[in-house]
Amino acid sequence: AQSVTQPDIHITVSEGASLELRCNYSYGATPYLFWYVQSPGQGLQLLLKYFSGDTLVQGIKGFEAEFKRSQSSFNLRKPSVHWSDAAEYFCAVGADEGGATNKLIFGTGTLLAVQP
Amino acid sequence: DTGVSQDPRHKITKRGQNVTFRCDPISEHNRLYWYRQTLGQGPEFLTYFQNEAQLEKSRLLSDRFSAERPKGSFSTLEIQRTEQGDSAMYLCASSPRWPNTEAFFGQGTRLTVV
Repeated sequence: AQSVTQPDIHITVSEGASLELRCNYSYGATPYLFWYVQSPGQGLQLLLKYFSGDTLVQGIKGFEAEFKRSQSSFNLRKPSVHWSDAAEYFCAVGADEGGATNKLIFGTGTLLAVQP
Repeated sequence: DTGVSQDPRHKITKRGQNVTFRCDPISEHNRLYWYRQTLGQGPEFLTYFQNEAQLEKSRLLSDRFSAERPKGSFSTLEIQRTEQGDSAMYLCASSPRWPNTEAFFGQGTRLTVV
């Protein structure tokens, strides 16, 4: 069965420091991978997605992620964190049922705190 | 394009009461999804529509839950005889075509069962 693991429940970084959020997935075929961000009490906003092609994908707000098939990972990175990046981040894999991908499987999320 | 709209944003209900939530997807999106998110967890898939057809339901969707999308536009999610364990954020998402585009999420309906 498809699954997503985000090993870090909570991360604190200083403003201006670099950030890496980890994501590992379990999936039998080529996955469709996503990172979403959620501010308190809000819905989810897509940061970036990977479907195929270049394994380094660029997203909004200066985020990027790298797909590594050999490690079953899709880690999210940002070179310099801003205070407004404080939020919860979810990694997700697009689940394929009978050839028709139609739902997302989410990890449990990583809560990011940014220190001044 | 006004985004995915959900109503109400918050709902407090007494245990045993029925509640209904509404989702208006982005216009012309033919796929619509419902997810449930509890505190400290990621969203969990509940059900999925393509146009008016409900194509998949999660085992999380007990008999007390029912979802409809009667004309392939807006959708409703009803919970009958609510229980405290139903307290969660209910998220709706829509997408025009899979897999080459993302699902757009609404801001959710926060349900509290007291």
